[in-house]
Amino acid sequence: DSGVTQTPKHLITATGQRVTLRCSPRSGDLSVYWYQQSLDQGLQFLIQYYNGEERAKGNILERFSAQQFPDLHSELNLSSLELGDSALYFCASSVGWGSNEKLFFGSGTQLSVL
Amino acid sequence: AQSVTQLDSHVSVSEGTPVLLRCNYSSSYSPSLFWYVQHPNKGLQLLLKYTSAATLVKGINGFEAEFKKSETSFHLTKPSAHMSDAAEYFCVVSDNQAGTALIFGKGTTLSVSS
Repeated sequence: DSGVTQTPKHLITATGQRVTLRCSPRSGDLSVYWYQQSLDQGLQFLIQYYNGEERAKGNILERFSAQQFPDLHSELNLSSLELGDSALYFCASSVGWGSNEKLFFGSGTQLSVL
Repeated sequence: AQSVTQLDSHVSVSEGTPVLLRCNYSSSYSPSLFWYVQHPNKGLQLLLKYTSAATLVKGINGFEAEFKKSETSFHLTKPSAHMSDAAEYFCVVSDNQAGTALIFGKGTTLSVSS
């Protein structure tokens, strides 16, 4: 168990809908990262937050947004969902914000858009 | 720009034989390099990390990797494969610049037969 908790584990929704994925980092970790894993694209970095502030941005679509709250949990909001958004979404956390940090990954949220 | 190429999408070995998973990287700066493992239906776990100290890095479960700057490679090895090593392995690079995050390779699936 990595100590990173993601909910829900599975999510099935329809095109055009909006969903929220939640992540609780390990105790003491200030950074949260979101990754999308799909068969064709592999693991794609979406966004990183450190202590409530956006730290780095990757290939995140404008339809997607995220935030990190004062209690350090994070939410990834996906809107106007398309079939191609079906993927496994991982959250990871680390102590600091540096790019050589050891990341601890949650078990992921499997999103299916029908 | 940083990138990583895993040269084999699938590697098959017999139990007790050596494992070699190949990875080449590209980075404009002195990189940090990682190997992560993903077992079926699980999150990712860090195997080992290189951050400009010793070029031969030892990780968990008997894995090790050697950083070769002249070849821009960071291959993962294990002297003797075990059935429990069957998983997806990701080579990861970070160029240690502010505002960047880990970039994952496409992954190599390791199959171990008895």
